[in-house]
This record gives sequence, C-alpha cells and structure tokens, in this order.
Amino acid sequence: SQTIHQWPATLVQPVGSPLSLECTVEGTSNPNLYWYRQAAGRGLQLLFYSVGIGQISSEVPQNLSASRPQDRQFILSSKKLLLSDSGFYLCAWSGDRNSPLHFGNGTRLTVT
Amino acid sequence: QKEVEQDPGPLSVPEGAIVSLNCTYSNSAFQYFMWYRQYSRKGPELLMYTYSSGNKEDGRFTAQVDKSSKYISLFIRDSQPSDSATYLCAMALRSGGGADGLTFGKGTHLIIQP
Repeated sequence: SQTIHQWPATLVQPVGSPLSLECTVEGTSNPNLYWYRQAAGRGLQLLFYSVGIGQISSEVPQNLSASRPQDRQFILSSKKLLLSDSGFYLCAWSGDRNSPLHFGNGTRLTVT
Repeated sequence: QKEVEQDPGPLSVPEGAIVSLNCTYSNSAFQYFMWYRQYSRKGPELLMYTYSSGNKEDGRFTAQVDKSSKYISLFIRDSQPSDSATYLCAMALRSGGGADGLTFGKGTHLIIQP
C-alpha cells in the first residue's frame, strides 16, 4: 500500500530564516505531487504541483519554492521566511489519472 | 460568488443521529467530487470519491452529487463521537486535480455529543 511521509510535524522559525520541508511517498512510482497550505478560515490553497522529476508548476506567486530531486520526494523551501508564511503545510500525492489526492499529516509552521 | 460554499458550523448533534453535510459550487465544469475528514492537527483523509452525479455508499457514509443543482452532500448514519472532525468537500475538473488542483470548501466542524 502507498504511504506518504512529511516532516517535521511542527516547526518554529524566526523571520528571515530559511525553510526546508520534506515529503516522500512510498509504494508507488511517478506520482503527481502537491504542496498545499491551510490557513485558519481560508481553506486549502494549492502552492505547487509536480508531474515528474524537476517539473514544478507554481500556482501562487510567493516567498516559497519547490523542488523534486527524486521521483517520490518533494521539497518545499524558502530562503527567508516571512510572518505571513505561518500555516499548516500539506503534501499530497495522486497516482494515475483516475485516482484522488491523498494527504500527509502536515507540518505546522510558526514564523516568529 | 465564491467557487465552493460550505457552512463552517460548528454542527453539534447527539450520538446516533444522521448527519447531513453540504456544499454548493458555481463551476458547472467540475466532474469529480470528494469528501475529506480532517482531525485536529492532522492531514485530510479521503472519505468518499465520486464522479459526476449520483449516490455512493460506503458503510455509514453516503455521498450524493446533484450536478443540476450544483450541490453535493455527505450523510453519516449512526454517528459516533469518533466522527467529530472537520469535513471538507472538494471538487476538480480532472481526477487527482491535475494542474488545477482541487477546489476545497473551508470545511464544516462537526461535533458528535456522547
């Protein structure tokens, strides 16, 4: 069966510090990978989408970037965090064209 | 007009009651409809996944899609305290969302009282 792992679960970072969140998927190959952000009262927002290694689509201009160095690895990064980057970051994957999204357990980021 | 509307609640019902959760949407091109359950500080968990109109049942859960009314529902029978969570509806033009991702409702907070 497929599983998705995200870490860390929680993170507190000062403004201006870098960020690296990692997500890996097991039990499948060539998944579509996604990064979402969930802010209180604002729902889930798609940040980045990837159909393969090195292929990243950005949905929202922002202070963040994403990379996919391996087939089942997806990384969310920032060079300098802003207070507005605080939120709950979720990685998700989907398989073939008829499968829905499956989410990891998220990383709660607080920028202080 | 927001693309997906969902009452945030909280919705509080006694244990054993039938729960009805609903979403309305404005984009008639949506083809795929999902319900996710999200416990506090956890990621959303897929409950139901349907294509186009109709009903789908899985255990105590029934999902209904009425594309003519742009209205989807999730029914929970014999509700349990463990069903207490936030329920998110989601919809997509393509399965998995594709480059467009999923469009989510903001979620309904459900409380089942023992």
